[in-house]
Amino acid sequence: DAGVIQSPRHEVTEMGQEVTLRCKPISGHDYLFWYRQTMMRGLELLIYFNNNVPIDDSGMPEDRFSAKMPNASFSTLKIQPSEPRDSAVYFCASQRAVSEQYFGPGTRLTVT
Amino acid sequence: SQQGEEDPQALSIQEGENATMNCSYKTSINNLQWYRQNSGRGLVHLILIRSNEREKHSGRLRVTLDTSKKSSSLLITASRAADTASYFCATDANTGNQFYFGTGTSLTVIP
Repeated sequence: DAGVIQSPRHEVTEMGQEVTLRCKPISGHDYLFWYRQTMMRGLELLIYFNNNVPIDDSGMPEDRFSAKMPNASFSTLKIQPSEPRDSAVYFCASQRAVSEQYFGPGTRLTVT
Repeated sequence: SQQGEEDPQALSIQEGENATMNCSYKTSINNLQWYRQNSGRGLVHLILIRSNEREKHSGRLRVTLDTSKKSSSLLITASRAADTASYFCATDANTGNQFYFGTGTSLTVIP
């Protein structure tokens, strides 16, 4: 298996623009997680899905953030409009039942 | 917060020495996991220990869990330069399948 795939790996955008991050989980995994990592706040859980259904989105910072999982092999995290404070590394991770999480390589987002 | 907290925040040792990192958490758990993150990469799972286990080994890694003290430790024996990374503990806080990650310990192994 190729592991968790994220795209793009790097994204530089201007404040106010829409940003879409993509994730393909490992086949057969029924949980998908979106995290954000910064030096100041560490690794934060934004939202997670079980069988494509959002279970807990309490970590989503504000309405500018939204996430979808239209099918078992694809998820998106969208920020609209983006702000400089959204600059971070965004990780997607997948998991099968109660077990270890497999992380993607991350998307480094810079909002200028 | 239900996050675990790792201690120390940073650790620097010579190659060949042992490295010990600690994790404390606040609420009861079902499982505790340790992950490693190399610079610029995603986290990689190292080991999972269940609440009814006290110690677990995997290669040069030894994890202990003391649920009465709500703490865990990760010992890396005979460290190598390649062990240089950040190490995170993650707890599930009995809430389901989501894990809460601590702030990490940055380990530097000097060749």
